[in-house]
Amino acid sequence: GEDVEQSLFLSVREGDSSVINCTYTDSSSTYLYWYKQEPGAGLQLLTYIFSNMDMKQDQRLTVLLNKKDKHLSLRIADTQTGDSAIYFCAESDTGGFKTIFGAGTRLFVKA
Amino acid sequence: KAGVTQTPRYLIKTRGQQVTLSCSPISGHRSVSWYQQTPGQGLQFLFEYFSETQRNKGNFPGRFSGRQFSNSRSEMNVSTLELGDSALYLCASRGLLDYEQYFGPGTRLTVT
Repeated sequence: GEDVEQSLFLSVREGDSSVINCTYTDSSSTYLYWYKQEPGAGLQLLTYIFSNMDMKQDQRLTVLLNKKDKHLSLRIADTQTGDSAIYFCAESDTGGFKTIFGAGTRLFVKA
Repeated sequence: KAGVTQTPRYLIKTRGQQVTLSCSPISGHRSVSWYQQTPGQGLQFLFEYFSETQRNKGNFPGRFSGRQFSNSRSEMNVSTLELGDSALYLCASRGLLDYEQYFGPGTRLTVT
């Protein structure tokens, strides 16, 4: 079945870049997402990429997709303490009806 | 534009009881999905409604049900509550761009 895997923790210093990695198994995935969840809150859609793209940049965020290896990464440039949160990688098929989420990566940003 | 709203935000119920959670999507959005989030299982898809019809369903027992009204508001019902149903229940809505899904703040359900 479909599965999305990501490492559980990442710790970086303020000002450094953070790279969060994710692998997925469903080759029919059409949309791949990164969501952010802060304590006590719902999920915030950060960015998404279509499976026919290799890269997408949005301000401090860069998403890289290696479709051959089914590997997705999120790079946050100039990481700030406000970026401390859980980041979820997710994938869905065409139509996006059913989204499969990874377990989330908890990002710690040290001042 | 107001975001996705969920009520109530917190709920405490006893085993065996039933519960109804409510979700109001972003104005104009017709698709509403429900997810269960627990520390052990992570985020799991429950079901999705579009124009009052269930369009997709996850692997949850029949105790979990939902419906959608003509104004796109959705409710989720859990009957015969079990301790393992304690979770954050998240609702998300989609508009015309199917791939953009926006989440509400969630309802935290505690079953004692």
